[in-house]
Amino acid sequence: DVKVTQSSRYLVKRTGEKVFLECVQDMDHENMFWYRQDPGLGLRLIYFSYDVKMKEKGDIPEGYSVSREKKERFSLILESASTNQTSMYLCASSGYSSTDTQYFGPGTRLTVL
Amino acid sequence: AQKVTQAQTEISVVEKEDVTLDCVYETRDTTYYLFWYKQPPSGELVFLIRRNSFDEQNEISGRYSWNFQKSTSSFNFTITASQVVDSAVYFCALRLNRDDKIIFGKGTRLHILP
Repeated sequence: DVKVTQSSRYLVKRTGEKVFLECVQDMDHENMFWYRQDPGLGLRLIYFSYDVKMKEKGDIPEGYSVSREKKERFSLILESASTNQTSMYLCASSGYSSTDTQYFGPGTRLTVL
Repeated sequence: AQKVTQAQTEISVVEKEDVTLDCVYETRDTTYYLFWYKQPPSGELVFLIRRNSFDEQNEISGRYSWNFQKSTSSFNFTITASQVVDSAVYFCALRLNRDDKIIFGKGTRLHILP
């Protein structure tokens, strides 16, 4: 069965803190993605990775960085959290082929105070 | 440029009614894939269906059916005899054959009233 897990369902941080969101998939997928979801804006791609140590910017990369040291793990980093980064963060993974479906984790609801 | 439009922001129907969620997409590519995902209140996006651009055959899965029409660039989703458990946000999405990324619509929030 397909499985994407995220380290926390809910997270509360203070402005200026460094925040790590972890995502792990057990499907040996090449591609991994980070999205944020906000009311009225839908899902917006932050970063994605198509291989270990490889990354590409999505539509809204500002204020974020990512790390992919192992194939199964993709981390989203907020270097200095700000209140406008309060959001739902969703991780997804897919195989390399264009026919492959993206499978999503349960999401992390981050609140920055 | 590629785009997915879900014009219905929010829909409410009474249980057992049929409901159709609209999805219109834009692309100049000839090879692409269309998806529907469901996001229940728990938050996780659940994959429902994938369709490739060369397969316009409609699909039915239980109470769910999908109508793909290339002539109108639409990929509509119908729930027959709706149930309260169908209440969720539904996303339509497009993936090009030459791209790893998926383009999502903004979603339609569906309320099924008992």
